[in-house]
Amino acid sequence: EVQLVESGGTLVQPGRSLRLSCAASGFTFDDYAMFWVRQAPGKGLEYVSGISWNSGNNIAYADSVKGRFTISRDNAKNSLYLQMNSLRAEDTALYYCVKDLFKYSSSPGAHDAFDIWGQGTMVTVSS
Amino acid sequence: DIQMTQSPSSLSASIGDRVTITCRASQSISDYLNWYQQRPGKAPKLLIYTTSRLQSGVPSRFSGSGSGTAFTLTISSLQPEDFATYYCQQTYTNPLTFGGGTKVEIK
Repeated sequence: EVQLVESGGTLVQPGRSLRLSCAASGFTFDDYAMFWVRQAPGKGLEYVSGISWNSGNNIAYADSVKGRFTISRDNAKNSLYLQMNSLRAEDTALYYCVKDLFKYSSSPGAHDAFDIWGQGTMVTVSS
Repeated sequence: DIQMTQSPSSLSASIGDRVTITCRASQSISDYLNWYQQRPGKAPKLLIYTTSRLQSGVPSRFSGSGSGTAFTLTISSLQPEDFATYYCQQTYTNPLTFGGGTKVEIK
């Protein structure tokens, strides 16, 4: 069974850092680009970041997180990460780990789709 | 960034109704448009990719059409399990962006 399990979400103060993790199983992890998508409480979906299949030769970020968040992956551990620095109240959201539909996407997600989603991990930024 | 605008933001419909949701892009995205369904408390689910390709396991009552800047998702005969929020997404270029969502409610 293809599965994505996120962890690391918690309550954190503004300005602090947090690292999210996503453990993948049931598919050949290093064949696929991976993504983070977030959803603020009661709001819509927001793309956060994507990373290509080949250990990060291509990475993309939403403007809202560029310079503060860093996506990475460890293909040997079938894991995806999101390092979040300088957190703000507006970063409060459920963070989903997401798998690309097709293999070997060079520009992560371009001309593609998100076929497998985790259940999410909640990040709350508040003092 | 490419802006995606969905309409309506919500709608009420009855079982068996034909439902159409529209998504417009701020610039041409060719046919790189996907649709997702999100039921309350659940993760989103891919329904349609590249405008009209049905994801494996998705019922054939769902269909998509369009090109360039205007796209539609159609549910031919609404079923109880279809009451959910639907999102479009462009994958023409990074950063990939989603529409604001359309909530389909029971009339």
